Amino acid sequence: QKEVEQNSGPLSVPEGAIASLNCTYSDRGSQSFFWYRQYSGKSPELIMSIYSNGDKEDGRFTAQLNKASQYVSLLIRDSQPSDSATYLCAVNMWARTYKYIFGTGTRLKVLA
Amino acid sequence: EAGVTQFPSHSVIEKGQTVTLRCDPISGHDNLYWYRRVMGKEIKFLLHFVKESKQDESGMPNNRFLAERTGGTYSTLKVQPAELEDSGVYFCASSQLSGTEAFFGQGTRLTVV
Repeated sequence: QKEVEQNSGPLSVPEGAIASLNCTYSDRGSQSFFWYRQYSGKSPELIMSIYSNGDKEDGRFTAQLNKASQYVSLLIRDSQPSDSATYLCAVNMWARTYKYIFGTGTRLKVLA
Repeated sequence: EAGVTQFPSHSVIEKGQTVTLRCDPISGHDNLYWYRRVMGKEIKFLLHFVKESKQDESGMPNNRFLAERTGGTYSTLKVQPAELEDSGVYFCASSQLSGTEAFFGQGTRLTVV
């Protein structure tokens, strides 16, 4: 079992719709969770962080964390073609090691 | 405020040669991380510095890789001698506190031929 799992996609949504991206992780000790956006040939760009259970909203983005079920999700409201990218989920355990463990990413396509 | 910067952006070297990658973290960020992404795979951890100390180097593939962070500022990652399987994109990231928001540089694309 991979430490951080994401559906590779592509996930296709029409412009203006809500895109829902999911991520599960295996280590119950994970403490901090991050979503990065990566355009082709570019570096990962941090878009959201979440540390406690529940929802965290920032503009069109909402991160949701459920530690009991070991999943974290990202909702993108009013999706735009410019949101088309690969979204990477990363977790950090804050114990023994502070390395960020990444999933393989979900490719999102927003159709105009 | 300047972000994380990496040099060079691209490097093509022959098998057996040496390459040194450089990373300048965001000013004031004590934590510096090196990651690597090979084609089709996820971003993989290499090592983590806190200031000038190696906190975790469990991801370093072998002793051909040497990372340093003299004075706790910029870091270098040397590959000597380079092998074909070392090709990939090497990313550096920095964070103010361990395990918090980390910001990535633009990466160095290394091609070993």
